Amino acid sequence: EDQVTQSPEALRLQEGESSSLNCSYTVSGLRGLFWYRQDPGKGPEFLFTLYSAGEEKEKERLKATLTKKESFLHITAPKPEDSATYLCAVQALNDYKLSFGAGTTVTVRA
Amino acid sequence: AAGVIQSPRHLIKEKRETATLKCYPIPRHDTVYWYQQGPGQDPQFLISFYEKMQSDKGSIPDRFSAQQFSDYHSELNMSSLELGDSALYFCASSTGRNQPQHFGDGTRLSIL
Repeated sequence: EDQVTQSPEALRLQEGESSSLNCSYTVSGLRGLFWYRQDPGKGPEFLFTLYSAGEEKEKERLKATLTKKESFLHITAPKPEDSATYLCAVQALNDYKLSFGAGTTVTVRA
Repeated sequence: AAGVIQSPRHLIKEKRETATLKCYPIPRHDTVYWYQQGPGQDPQFLISFYEKMQSDKGSIPDRFSAQQFSDYHSELNMSSLELGDSALYFCASSTGRNQPQHFGDGTRLSIL
């Protein structure tokens, strides 16, 4: 059974205060690890896909990295509009469904 | 850019009734996935279709069925609804099973 654990559950940041979110995973062969952003009442919005250890992807103030056991989402100098729940999901080699973590809810105060 | 369209956005039903949720994927996307997200929970995979054939099956109750049509839209049919079926139902689509899944804004189903 694929397992995805995200920490912390919630993160309150001051505008400009950089931080990192953690996603630990256990999967029988990783096809890909995905990061999504979800705003209240909306569907998850795709951010990044990472396929192999050592890979990094960047988009504006967000940077995702991947090791063999975990992934990090770094938020650099966050703004209030970065407030959202960030979901991590894995896709195993033996199927195509996404197994999600419980998410980290980030609140950025101006 | 065009996104995944789900209808209806909100649906209220009573116990033991039936419901049909519709999903229109992004144009040229041939793969559709259905997920259920309970209050305060992460999305749970239900079922997926690739090129109009069932691809993977998750924790979908026998009371639920789904299909993908010739125009690639998909419908999730739910019968004998129970209180525990109250949730957000998301549809996602992708250009093939190896590609990132893009989600719609969901259908909020409330069972009274």
